[in-house]
Amino acid sequence: QSVLTQPPSVSGAPGQRITISCSGTSSNIGAYFDVHWYQQLPGTAPKLLIYGNNNRPSGVPDRFSGSKSGTSASLVITGLQAEDEGDYYCQSYDRSQSDVLFGGGTKLTVL
Amino acid sequence: QVQLQESGPGLVKPSQTLSLTCAVSGASISGGSRYWSWLRQPAGQGLEWIGHFHTSGRTYYNPSLKSRVTMSLDTSKNQFSLKLNSLTAADTAIYYCARHDFWSGFDYWGQGALVTVSS
Repeated sequence: QSVLTQPPSVSGAPGQRITISCSGTSSNIGAYFDVHWYQQLPGTAPKLLIYGNNNRPSGVPDRFSGSKSGTSASLVITGLQAEDEGDYYCQSYDRSQSDVLFGGGTKLTVL
Repeated sequence: QVQLQESGPGLVKPSQTLSLTCAVSGASISGGSRYWSWLRQPAGQGLEWIGHFHTSGRTYYNPSLKSRVTMSLDTSKNQFSLKLNSLTAADTAIYYCARHDFWSGFDYWGQGALVTVSS
């Protein structure tokens, strides 16, 4: 059972917009710790997708965006493409950044 | 471009100790403010952070694994290592090394090394 809660799965048609939520508590996301998001395509290592709640690393399309409010964070993907299909993980911290926390992951299916 | 590459045995017996090494290129593990990390992912499951350390000596371990984990750094070879003892089948997973920063997350990852614990 992960400390950060994500929906197990989301789906959308090509071109659509989807949102993946990440729910935490006052001791992690709500304690002002940053949230990062990772994309894991089938058979590959995770890749940093969003860092510091809403920043994209170089090379990540602007179709991907992140936000954080209170004890939750969200990843939004617009203009959904078949190549976006994979698993998405949120990540934050607890106990004064002593512990690294991951969400359980959300499987994105492009219909 | 920073690159990380895990190496180690693919098969380890129960109760034994797993030893993995992560070779880093494109960055010096003895410089900067980054943490050097280990994570794992059992087949079909999510990511689990094992621990990470800074060259200043600061080390953080997952509380659930802390009693079995040792991490070390070899600056002369620009690589770092993981030892996990008292292995059980539950330790079977893909093990990743990664570079970490609290403000930018895990920004570079190795390709992963599959470790199977079986007799």
